Amino acid sequence: GQQVMQIPQYQHVQEGEDFTTYCNSSTTLSNIQWYKQRPGGHPVFLIQLVKSGEVKKQKRLTFQFGEAKKNSSLHITATQTTDVGTYFCAGPTGTASKLTFGTGTRLQVTL
Amino acid sequence: GAVVSQHPSRVICKSGTSVKIECRSLDFQATTMFWYRQFPKQSLMLMATSNEGSKATYEQGVEKDKFLINHASLTLSTLTVTSAHPEDSSFYICSASNQFNEQYFGPGTRLTVT
Repeated sequence: GQQVMQIPQYQHVQEGEDFTTYCNSSTTLSNIQWYKQRPGGHPVFLIQLVKSGEVKKQKRLTFQFGEAKKNSSLHITATQTTDVGTYFCAGPTGTASKLTFGTGTRLQVTL
Repeated sequence: GAVVSQHPSRVICKSGTSVKIECRSLDFQATTMFWYRQFPKQSLMLMATSNEGSKATYEQGVEKDKFLINHASLTLSTLTVTSAHPEDSSFYICSASNQFNEQYFGPGTRLTVT
């Protein structure tokens, strides 16, 4: 079946440093979505990318969808403690509305 | 973003009893809702897709007789864990998808079976 892997599994940065998580799918995706889950919380939708090579920005967050539509990345510039959490990418599986979530990258930010 | 509520947020029950978890889409009609299970520090594992007015579609390895799903209306789906055992203890999260297939999650239910 479809597999969606993310690296790294965990990263610890100091506030102000940049952070990137990479997402790789075993199959071509029609779109990629990103979610953030704070510790003890639930996943929150961040963004959806649809086009090959698409880049979208949300303040300090930059999302990219690969040309082959099999990988994606999330880059955070100048991390803050509020960025702490686990970031998941997710791609559609089978029916259009079902998602396969990536393995997640847990980000820890310290002062 | 859309608002999805889930109740209860936390439940402790004895082995052998059943627990019902409700998931409500508060500000949009969701023809499709999803139920996930999440173990500590792990990703979300899709259990089933809940379709309004029809039977739920279960993922491979998920027992449909143990995890009963009812999607009675466009805003309500319920998951009942029947004859719960300690290994069913987990974090259960529902989500509702909008017309763009973006999923909005409930706050989750932490189930502990003693």
